[in-house]
Amino acid sequence: GAGVSQSPSNKVTEKGKDVELRCDPISGHTALYWYRQSLGQGLEFLIYFQGNSAPDKSGLPSDRFSAERTGGSVSTLTIQRTQQEDSAVYLCASSQGGQRPNYGYTFGSGTRLTVV
Amino acid sequence: AQRVTQPEKLLSVFKGAPVELKCNYSYSGSPELFWYVQYSRQRLQLLLRHISRESIKGFTADLNKGETSFHLKKPFAQEEDSAMYYCALRGLRGAQKLVFGQGTRLTINP
Repeated sequence: GAGVSQSPSNKVTEKGKDVELRCDPISGHTALYWYRQSLGQGLEFLIYFQGNSAPDKSGLPSDRFSAERTGGSVSTLTIQRTQQEDSAVYLCASSQGGQRPNYGYTFGSGTRLTVV
Repeated sequence: AQRVTQPEKLLSVFKGAPVELKCNYSYSGSPELFWYVQYSRQRLQLLLRHISRESIKGFTADLNKGETSFHLKKPFAQEEDSAMYYCALRGLRGAQKLVFGQGTRLTINP
């Protein structure tokens, strides 16, 4: 597509429920990233995909968080048994990847998750 | 370890005044540095990158390896510059991810 698409744009869920957040990157972008944006916390790295594999998942805060990517395209971030501290904006970004230094990211508009 | 520090959470200046948003980094190798901007109700977007040595919307940033800084500057602020600004770093070896600072909210007063 023309840009990075994320859905849903807003999600309100009850504490303890599972949620799935979706990211559709720019066509042809091999690298995909998930970040979490919290008030006062800046942008926190969660996980990075190159193709369908995740060479760096060091930012996932707990085993309640998982992500997958299929067909080198769409990615899903799943949060199980949501807690109130999971409330944040979840951002997805994609890039052309590789080691060439000039590639910045293209970000999606994010999913605002509220756990009540 | 890679770390980016933006010491000012909030910065307020008057229109026409010079602006400097501070960014310091910690990285043992040669980094790539970026500035990203998020205007109200818009997506986070790339503003500039140190490798390109470009000026975007009147903003410039110089990488100072001695001081490990990458401050963002503009000589004359405009009201439309009001936004959230994030400094980011990527190591040239290995890791692909960008590490972001906590961001500085810039407000330009008329």
